[in-house]
Amino acid sequence: GQNIDQPTEMTATEGAIVQINCTYQTSGFNGLFWYQQHAGEAPTFLSYNVLDGLEEKGRFSSFLSRSKGYSYLLLKELQMKDSASYLCAVMDSNYQLIWGAGTKLIIKP
Amino acid sequence: GAVVSQHPSWVICKSGTSVKIECRSLDFQATTMFWYRQFPKQSLMLMATSNEGSKATYEQGVEKDKFLINHASLTLSTLTVTSAHPEDSSFYICSARGTGTGDSYEQYFGPGTRLTVT
Repeated sequence: GQNIDQPTEMTATEGAIVQINCTYQTSGFNGLFWYQQHAGEAPTFLSYNVLDGLEEKGRFSSFLSRSKGYSYLLLKELQMKDSASYLCAVMDSNYQLIWGAGTKLIIKP
Repeated sequence: GAVVSQHPSWVICKSGTSVKIECRSLDFQATTMFWYRQFPKQSLMLMATSNEGSKATYEQGVEKDKFLINHASLTLSTLTVTSAHPEDSSFYICSARGTGTGDSYEQYFGPGTRLTVT
């Protein structure tokens, strides 16, 4: 079956760095997405990785290792507004998104 | 660019009535639209995928006669919840993917519709 695993909840301190991991097992792979979702709102796109390596975009970076079925989202210089759920999603061979359950990130002052 | 709107943002309806939710791509042609449902503190659950001009493909466990999806144009898809019951109360989110939005197959999400059935 298809499976996406990510931690349920993480806590970090304002100004610090946090890494949210995602492991996956899917039928085929056409890329991995990270989305941010604030409570009561729709997800917003953060990053897309289809090749191995690190993609950096401002304070956020995303890493992919296809051989290991592994990705992480790295958030630097954490701000209170970064408190949200972070969703990992993999696009399978049918170009359907398979969603993880999301990681709730709590930022403390 | 790549903006998706949903209407209404929230709706309260009585049990047994039907509710229609609209999803529009405002600045691109949405060849494929997705409808998701999200219960509190849970992840997104894909309900169905619709391609413009063809019947929607429903996920296992989703009743196609209860959740009617129409994707009649490249900019509009509708989801009608028929004979709504309190257990249908949820956050319904549409997303769209289409031409002119890049090569990443990114899905652009609407803001969601919160449905409460009393």
